[in-house]
Amino acid sequence: DIVMTQSPLSLPVTPGESASISCRSSQSLLHSSGSNYLDWYLQKPGQSPQLVIYLGSNRASGVPDRFSGSGSGTDFTLKISRVEAEDVGVYYCMQGLEIPHTFGQGTKLEIK
Amino acid sequence: QVHLVESGGGVVQPGRSLRLSCAASGFTFSSYGMHWVRQAPGKGLEWVAVIWHDGSNKYYADSVKGRFTISRDNSKYTLDLQMNSLRPEDTAVYYCAAKASTSLDHWGQGTLVTVSS
Repeated sequence: DIVMTQSPLSLPVTPGESASISCRSSQSLLHSSGSNYLDWYLQKPGQSPQLVIYLGSNRASGVPDRFSGSGSGTDFTLKISRVEAEDVGVYYCMQGLEIPHTFGQGTKLEIK
Repeated sequence: QVHLVESGGGVVQPGRSLRLSCAASGFTFSSYGMHWVRQAPGKGLEWVAVIWHDGSNKYYADSVKGRFTISRDNSKYTLDLQMNSLRPEDTAVYYCAAKASTSLDHWGQGTLVTVSS
Protein backbone atom coordinates (compact mmCIF):
# COMPACT_ATOMS: atom_id res chain seq x y z
CA ASP A 1 0.00 0.00 0.00
CA ILE A 2 1.09 3.58 -0.62
CA VAL A 3 1.98 5.31 2.62
CA MET A 4 1.10 8.99 2.94
CA THR A 5 3.02 11.14 5.43
CA GLN A 6 1.95 14.64 6.39
CA SER A 7 3.79 17.36 8.27
CA PRO A 8 3.32 19.13 10.49
CA LEU A 9 0.54 17.38 12.39
CA SER A 10 -0.39 20.57 14.21
CA LEU A 11 -0.31 24.04 12.70
CA PRO A 12 -1.18 27.13 14.73
CA VAL A 13 -1.55 30.15 12.46
CA THR A 14 -2.20 33.84 13.02
CA PRO A 15 -5.13 35.15 10.96
CA GLY A 16 -3.94 36.83 7.79
CA GLU A 17 -0.71 34.86 7.65
CA SER A 18 0.01 31.94 5.34
CA ALA A 19 0.19 28.24 6.14
CA SER A 20 1.78 25.30 4.36
CA ILE A 21 1.21 21.58 4.78
CA SER A 22 3.48 18.95 3.30
CA CYS A 23 2.42 15.52 2.08
CA ARG A 24 4.80 12.83 0.92
CA SER A 25 3.94 9.51 -0.64
CA SER A 26 5.97 6.30 -0.56
CA GLN A 27 5.49 5.90 -4.33
CA SER A 28 5.06 8.32 -7.18
CA LEU A 29 1.48 9.48 -7.68
CA LEU A 30 2.11 10.53 -11.27
CA HIS A 31 -0.40 8.84 -13.55
CA SER A 32 0.31 7.98 -17.18
CA SER A 33 -2.05 10.82 -18.07
CA GLY A 34 0.43 13.28 -16.65
CA SER A 35 -1.73 14.11 -13.63
CA ASN A 36 -0.79 13.50 -10.03
CA TYR A 37 -3.51 11.57 -8.21
CA LEU A 38 -3.26 13.53 -4.99
CA ASP A 39 -6.18 15.24 -3.30
CA TRP A 40 -6.54 17.47 -0.27
CA TYR A 41 -9.58 17.31 1.99
CA LEU A 42 -10.63 19.53 4.86
CA GLN A 43 -12.68 18.26 7.75
CA LYS A 44 -14.06 21.21 9.65
CA PRO A 45 -15.01 20.64 13.31
CA GLY A 46 -18.10 18.45 13.55
CA GLN A 47 -18.43 18.09 9.79
CA SER A 48 -17.74 15.58 7.04
CA PRO A 49 -14.60 15.93 4.95
CA GLN A 50 -14.84 18.14 1.87
CA LEU A 51 -12.70 18.21 -1.23
CA VAL A 52 -10.37 21.20 -1.41
CA ILE A 53 -7.78 20.34 -4.09
CA TYR A 54 -7.84 17.54 -6.65
CA LEU A 55 -5.16 16.17 -8.95
CA GLY A 56 -2.52 17.94 -6.95
CA SER A 57 -3.25 21.52 -7.94
CA ASN A 58 -6.87 22.04 -8.98
CA ARG A 59 -9.23 23.87 -6.64
CA ALA A 60 -12.56 22.20 -6.09
CA SER A 61 -15.74 24.12 -6.84
CA GLY A 62 -16.34 26.96 -4.41
CA VAL A 63 -12.87 26.83 -2.85
CA PRO A 64 -11.32 30.30 -2.42
CA ASP A 65 -8.23 31.12 -4.45
CA ARG A 66 -6.35 31.51 -1.15
CA PHE A 67 -5.91 27.75 -1.39
CA SER A 68 -3.31 26.34 -3.74
CA GLY A 69 -1.78 22.93 -4.28
CA SER A 70 1.56 22.11 -5.80
CA GLY A 71 4.03 19.29 -6.21
CA SER A 72 4.56 16.22 -8.31
CA GLY A 73 5.65 12.64 -7.94
CA THR A 74 6.03 12.03 -4.22
CA ASP A 75 6.15 15.54 -2.70
CA PHE A 76 3.13 17.80 -2.43
CA THR A 77 2.20 21.01 -0.65
CA LEU A 78 -1.04 22.68 0.29
CA LYS A 79 -0.68 26.40 0.84
CA ILE A 80 -3.26 28.65 2.37
CA SER A 81 -2.52 32.34 2.01
CA ARG A 82 -4.19 34.87 4.31
CA VAL A 83 -5.63 32.25 6.71
CA GLU A 84 -9.12 32.99 7.97
CA ALA A 85 -11.04 31.62 10.95
CA GLU A 86 -13.22 29.52 8.64
CA ASP A 87 -10.14 27.57 7.49
CA VAL A 88 -9.70 25.75 10.81
CA GLY A 89 -10.01 21.99 10.86
CA VAL A 90 -8.02 18.92 9.90
CA TYR A 91 -6.49 18.71 6.44
CA TYR A 92 -5.87 15.30 4.90
CA CYS A 93 -4.02 14.36 1.75
CA MET A 94 -5.18 11.24 -0.06
CA GLN A 95 -3.74 9.28 -2.94
CA GLY A 96 -6.27 8.11 -5.50
CA LEU A 97 -3.79 6.38 -7.80
CA GLU A 98 -4.05 2.91 -6.37
CA ILE A 99 -6.51 0.87 -4.39
CA PRO A 100 -6.54 0.89 -1.46
CA HIS A 101 -6.72 4.66 -1.42
CA THR A 102 -4.73 5.93 1.53
CA PHE A 103 -4.82 9.08 3.63
CA GLY A 104 -2.20 11.03 5.47
CA GLN A 105 -2.48 11.27 9.26
CA GLY A 106 -4.09 14.69 9.06
CA THR A 107 -2.85 18.18 9.94
CA LYS A 108 -4.84 20.16 12.45
CA LEU A 109 -4.88 23.85 11.58
CA GLU A 110 -5.87 26.16 14.39
CA ILE A 111 -5.98 29.88 14.87
CA LYS A 112 -3.52 31.42 17.33
CA GLN B 1 -27.76 19.85 -5.15
CA VAL B 2 -25.86 16.67 -4.31
CA HIS B 3 -27.11 14.85 -1.26
CA LEU B 4 -25.75 11.70 0.37
CA VAL B 5 -27.49 10.43 3.49
CA GLU B 6 -26.17 7.44 5.42
CA SER B 7 -28.29 5.35 7.74
CA GLY B 8 -28.21 2.06 9.59
CA GLY B 9 -25.59 2.79 12.23
CA GLY B 10 -26.00 1.80 15.84
CA VAL B 11 -24.64 -0.30 18.67
CA VAL B 12 -23.93 -3.93 17.90
CA GLN B 13 -22.20 -6.76 19.75
CA PRO B 14 -18.92 -8.21 18.50
CA GLY B 15 -19.46 -10.94 15.95
CA ARG B 16 -22.85 -9.62 14.88
CA SER B 17 -23.86 -7.97 11.60
CA LEU B 18 -25.05 -4.56 10.51
CA ARG B 19 -26.10 -3.11 7.17
CA LEU B 20 -25.44 0.51 6.29
CA SER B 21 -27.20 2.37 3.51
CA CYS B 22 -26.47 5.57 1.65
CA ALA B 23 -29.26 7.36 -0.21
CA ALA B 24 -28.10 9.57 -3.06
CA SER B 25 -29.84 12.42 -4.82
CA GLY B 26 -29.05 15.47 -6.94
CA PHE B 27 -26.68 13.79 -9.37
CA THR B 28 -26.55 10.94 -11.88
CA PHE B 29 -25.78 8.16 -9.43
CA SER B 30 -24.97 5.58 -12.11
CA SER B 31 -22.10 7.76 -13.37
CA TYR B 32 -20.22 7.78 -10.06
CA GLY B 33 -18.00 5.29 -8.35
CA MET B 34 -19.05 5.02 -4.72
CA HIS B 35 -16.80 4.61 -1.71
CA TRP B 36 -17.08 3.97 2.01
CA VAL B 37 -14.59 5.73 4.26
CA ARG B 38 -14.55 5.42 8.04
CA GLN B 39 -13.20 7.39 10.94
CA ALA B 40 -12.64 5.84 14.35
CA PRO B 41 -13.34 8.15 17.30
CA GLY B 42 -10.65 10.83 17.48
CA LYS B 43 -8.70 9.27 14.62
CA GLY B 44 -8.03 9.93 10.95
CA LEU B 45 -9.74 8.77 7.79
CA GLU B 46 -9.53 5.17 6.58
CA TRP B 47 -10.69 4.06 3.16
CA VAL B 48 -12.91 0.97 3.38
CA ALA B 49 -14.36 -0.06 0.02
CA VAL B 50 -15.28 1.01 -3.52
CA ILE B 51 -17.77 -0.13 -6.11
CA TRP B 52 -17.54 0.90 -9.74
CA HIS B 53 -20.29 3.07 -11.23
CA ASP B 54 -21.91 0.04 -12.86
CA GLY B 55 -21.21 -2.37 -10.03
CA SER B 56 -18.77 -4.35 -12.16
CA ASN B 57 -15.86 -4.12 -9.74
CA LYS B 58 -15.56 -4.02 -5.97
CA TYR B 59 -12.48 -3.61 -3.82
CA TYR B 60 -11.92 -3.65 -0.08
CA ALA B 61 -9.36 -2.64 2.51
CA ASP B 62 -7.51 -5.64 3.92
CA SER B 63 -8.95 -4.84 7.35
CA VAL B 64 -12.50 -5.62 6.15
CA LYS B 65 -11.95 -8.05 3.28
CA GLY B 66 -14.06 -11.16 3.63
CA ARG B 67 -16.31 -9.54 6.25
CA PHE B 68 -17.79 -6.50 4.48
CA THR B 69 -19.69 -6.42 1.17
CA ILE B 70 -20.40 -3.29 -0.83
CA SER B 71 -23.34 -3.16 -3.22
CA ARG B 72 -25.46 -0.61 -5.07
CA ASP B 73 -28.80 -0.27 -6.79
CA ASN B 74 -28.59 2.34 -9.52
CA SER B 75 -32.34 2.27 -10.08
CA LYS B 76 -32.93 3.23 -6.46
CA TYR B 77 -29.91 5.52 -6.06
CA THR B 78 -28.71 3.56 -3.07
CA LEU B 79 -25.39 2.24 -1.83
CA ASP B 80 -25.09 -0.42 0.86
CA LEU B 81 -22.39 -1.85 3.09
CA GLN B 82 -23.10 -5.23 4.64
CA MET B 83 -20.85 -5.66 7.66
CA ASN B 84 -20.49 -9.14 9.15
CA SER B 85 -18.38 -10.53 11.98
CA LEU B 86 -18.00 -7.06 13.44
CA ARG B 87 -15.09 -6.31 15.74
CA PRO B 88 -14.54 -3.56 18.31
CA GLU B 89 -11.97 -2.01 15.95
CA ASP B 90 -14.73 -1.48 13.37
CA THR B 91 -16.19 1.19 15.65
CA ALA B 92 -16.24 4.37 13.60
CA VAL B 93 -18.27 6.93 11.75
CA TYR B 94 -18.88 5.53 8.27
CA TYR B 95 -19.10 7.96 5.37
CA CYS B 96 -20.24 7.24 1.86
CA ALA B 97 -18.54 9.32 -0.82
CA ALA B 98 -19.12 9.79 -4.55
CA LYS B 99 -16.32 9.85 -7.09
CA ALA B 100 -16.96 11.16 -10.60
CA SER B 101 -13.49 10.51 -11.95
CA THR B 102 -10.46 11.06 -9.76
CA SER B 103 -11.57 12.44 -6.40
CA LEU B 104 -14.10 11.94 -3.60
CA ASP B 105 -16.19 14.87 -4.73
CA HIS B 106 -19.15 14.52 -2.37
CA TRP B 107 -19.50 13.09 1.12
CA GLY B 108 -22.42 12.20 3.33
CA GLN B 109 -22.76 13.29 6.96
CA GLY B 110 -21.79 9.85 8.26
CA THR B 111 -23.39 7.23 10.47
CA LEU B 112 -21.86 5.96 13.71
CA VAL B 113 -21.25 2.26 14.24
CA THR B 114 -20.31 1.13 17.74
CA VAL B 115 -19.20 -2.46 18.26
CA SER B 116 -19.32 -3.28 21.94
CA SER B 117 -20.58 -5.94 24.28
